[in-house]
Amino acid sequence: DIQLTQSPSFLSASVGDRVTITCRASQGISSYLAWYQQKPGKAPNLLIFAASSLQSGVPSRFSGSGSGTQFTLTISSLQPEDFATYYCQHFNSFPLTFGGGTKVEIK
Amino acid sequence: EVQLVESGGGVARPGESLRLFCAASGFTFDDYGMNWVRQAPGKGLEWVSGLNWNGGRIGYADSVKGRFTISRDNAKNSLYLQMSSLRAEDTALYYCARGRSITGAVYDSFDIWGQGTMVTVSS
Repeated sequence: DIQLTQSPSFLSASVGDRVTITCRASQGISSYLAWYQQKPGKAPNLLIFAASSLQSGVPSRFSGSGSGTQFTLTISSLQPEDFATYYCQHFNSFPLTFGGGTKVEIK
Repeated sequence: EVQLVESGGGVARPGESLRLFCAASGFTFDDYGMNWVRQAPGKGLEWVSGLNWNGGRIGYADSVKGRFTISRDNAKNSLYLQMSSLRAEDTALYYCARGRSITGAVYDSFDIWGQGTMVTVSS
């Protein structure tokens, strides 16, 4: 099974900060990676698919990069509504798996 | 409006069974792969199972393989999860999620999610 390791698990940042979250796969997954945002009490929301493609309706301050085993999600200028938990997910093969999550909180 | 609505959750004792339902509307159901994803209280997301547009390709997480069965009825725009031999660690909010690609592929990201149905396994 492919394991996804996210780092950091928790980060504290201010409005306007540039934030980067990393997801490392235990083996190569090409670009078969997605990123989600989840707010408390809500279902996850797809931000990025295929490692770097922005989902329709998602603000352009979100971007994704990487391929193979190393991926990043970047928020160029953190907004108040971006404080949430972020997850990566691979879809290279069964079983699909999610990373452990990164909680972004207000400094 | 594109929508997924889950139902069928509840309280079960260890070893018992439950069947979850997901009703889809607002899109052509058999154009898409479908999945179940769960989230234990206070924990992260865990993919449970998924299948392609016609159910010909199916996958399960190791944690549920042999105990859970996913299926779909395209005529009824419905997705199901039959859960047997339930364990305390199956306690979670279960989400139904649509694959993003209109090709109906089974390996995919998830662009539409329901609000979830809670399953509690306790003696």
